[in-house]
Amino acid sequence: QVELQEAGPGLVKPSQTLSLTCTVSGGSISGESYFWSWIRQPAGRGLEWIGRIYSSGSTNYNPSLKSRVTISVDTSKNQFSLKLSSVTAADTAVYYCASFKHGYDSSGYYWYFDFWGRGTLVTVSS
Amino acid sequence: QSVLTQPPSASGNPGQRVTLSCSGSSSNIGSHPVNWYQQLPGTAPKLLIYNDNQRPSGVPDRCSASKSDTSASLTISGLQSGDEADYYCAAWDASLNGPVFGGGTKLTVL
Repeated sequence: QVELQEAGPGLVKPSQTLSLTCTVSGGSISGESYFWSWIRQPAGRGLEWIGRIYSSGSTNYNPSLKSRVTISVDTSKNQFSLKLSSVTAADTAVYYCASFKHGYDSSGYYWYFDFWGRGTLVTVSS
Repeated sequence: QSVLTQPPSASGNPGQRVTLSCSGSSSNIGSHPVNWYQQLPGTAPKLLIYNDNQRPSGVPDRCSASKSDTSASLTISGLQSGDEADYYCAAWDASLNGPVFGGGTKLTVL
């Protein structure tokens, strides 16, 4: 069973950079069928995909956040990380890391987020 | 404003059947498979349905889903108190080149 755990500061000042790390256990971050994603959820609101990374370092970002987001991977530590720069109060949210599984079966191409971390609340405030 | 549209709330009595809807466009639901997630209070989302109508192991067959054109729906039969949760639809969006979510439907079991 794969487990993910987010870690990082719970409070970040406006204009600074939010930094979080996700540690993957119970499986290799280098697995072929997996990307590794960050997703956030402001209080009382829906989910927003931030971006994803493959073990090779290849990334895709949400265009609405692309100019401020960097996702990186450290396969030696089985970790991947999120940096979000120039934060404002609008970036206050619970941040989840999740595994993005994809592949082909008899129904065709599939994808889904199968394993999630518990989430960590990051508040942007001075 | 979420890319996929879901009604904010739904309700049903124990034992009843409830259907939750999700509306999108040709760039997402209309051309890519839909997934559904259940989020119990204070927890991370859990995969309920993938590839429009496939249940992962462990998900009861009380949960089913379908898709037509640019809309999708999730049906929960034999409603139980433990089904009270937020339900989110998700689909790959070709314009975004990434996954998009609905705003979620809060299901209340009366």
